[in-house]
Amino acid sequence: QSALTQSAAVSGSPGQSITISCTGTTNDVGGHDLVTWYQFRPGKDPRVLIYEVNKRPSPVYGRFSGSKSGNTASLTISGLQAEDEGDYYCCSYSSGAILVFGGGTKLTVL
Amino acid sequence: VQLEQWGAGLLNASETLSLTCAVYGGGFGGSLSGFWWSWVRQPPGKGLEWIGEINYRGVTNYEPSFKGRVTISLDMSRTQVSLSLGPVTAADTAVYYCTKRVSISYYMDVWGRGTTVTVAS
Repeated sequence: QSALTQSAAVSGSPGQSITISCTGTTNDVGGHDLVTWYQFRPGKDPRVLIYEVNKRPSPVYGRFSGSKSGNTASLTISGLQAEDEGDYYCCSYSSGAILVFGGGTKLTVL
Repeated sequence: VQLEQWGAGLLNASETLSLTCAVYGGGFGGSLSGFWWSWVRQPPGKGLEWIGEINYRGVTNYEPSFKGRVTISLDMSRTQVSLSLGPVTAADTAVYYCTKRVSISYYMDVWGRGTTVTVAS
């Protein structure tokens, strides 16, 4: 199973913006607009932040946005808050009707 | 929709992992073509791994690296989804999650609490 590539860690101060990237191939990220971003926080249920590259589920704040260029998808969090600290995973549909995850990015709010 | 999952938490190598996920609150059979029921795992200190999924018709998709070892099945009458993986090795030690996946958009919007499975070598 070839995981999508994410940076292991990112950090930022409250109020700042950060971007997490997710690089795959033409079989997954580049070939389909079916990238999802998940947030994992200790003691909380996993949450969908972005689906279909750039769509937000209704309860998700506008501080979270997604985009894609070629084989790389990105999640941007603006106005960083302490509660944003956690692990973030990208996930893409891949040819062959399978799903593939990124390795995860740990976000630290300084 | 809520997902409650359970299963044996400690196995010996070469045994078969068996987990069950019960779906509460509707959604299993309603809007029948809308959902898939997936299993995802997270080994200690590592990222998430998609294992496979099943829909209400019993159609399955599996991650190729698990093929031959994995079976996902459903019990419509009990609104339960099951995962069978074996024979296991220490590499199968992980937290296993049951999830509900939206069909067209491919995102998993409901997750079980996770079951920790440890395989003793």
